[in-house]
Amino acid sequence: NAGVMQNPRHLVRRRGQEARLRCSPMKGHSHVYWYRQLPEEGLKFMVYLQKENIIDESGMPKERFSAEFPKEGPSILRIQQVVRGDSAAYFCASSSGLAGADTQYFGPGTRLTVL
Amino acid sequence: AQTVTQSQPEMSVQEAETVTLSCTYDTSESDYYLFWYKQPPSRQMILVIRQEAYKQQNATENRFSVNFQKAAKSFSLKISDSQLGDAAMYFCAYRRRNTGTASKLTFGTGTRLQVTL
Repeated sequence: NAGVMQNPRHLVRRRGQEARLRCSPMKGHSHVYWYRQLPEEGLKFMVYLQKENIIDESGMPKERFSAEFPKEGPSILRIQQVVRGDSAAYFCASSSGLAGADTQYFGPGTRLTVL
Repeated sequence: AQTVTQSQPEMSVQEAETVTLSCTYDTSESDYYLFWYKQPPSRQMILVIRQEAYKQQNATENRFSVNFQKAAKSFSLKISDSQLGDAAMYFCAYRRRNTGTASKLTFGTGTRLQVTL
């Protein structure tokens, strides 16, 4: 299956701990997007990355959240000192970046629960 | 800023019948894409159908079709011959045509579709 992979699927953290969410894009895709879905809400854009570059982070909270997409390996969304309000489903999507064919395909999501 | 509005929190349809989900959007752009995504109980986001704004012809994918009214900024999804497996949350989404930093999707709040026997 060459789809978007996310791990872990479920992550439980206590308040104050760090959460690391991983995303491997589809084969041939070099653009990654992170979205957050709070309970009973739609998805909200967080950040858009290409290899080694953050293109748009307009949806990222100013503190505690960071994202990277290194030259090798998966994209990482990192949440430091988690709080209960961070509990949500975090989705990663990838695209080829080719103009006219830039559909985003989503991974299965990581459900973060903060105790 | 672009906004997407889905005014129907819940809809219900009988198996084999047809249902239409509404979506309106607001943008000052002339070139963009519109999408419908399906989210079943598994929470996986599945692309249902996509429409390019510069195309006048409405997109179709098997039992799924859209009614795209650009002047009215309306993008409804019609599901024909509804099946039990169509039960899910449906999200309408907007994206500007890819110009570097403008690639994020803006989602509506979703419509929960129930399919009854």
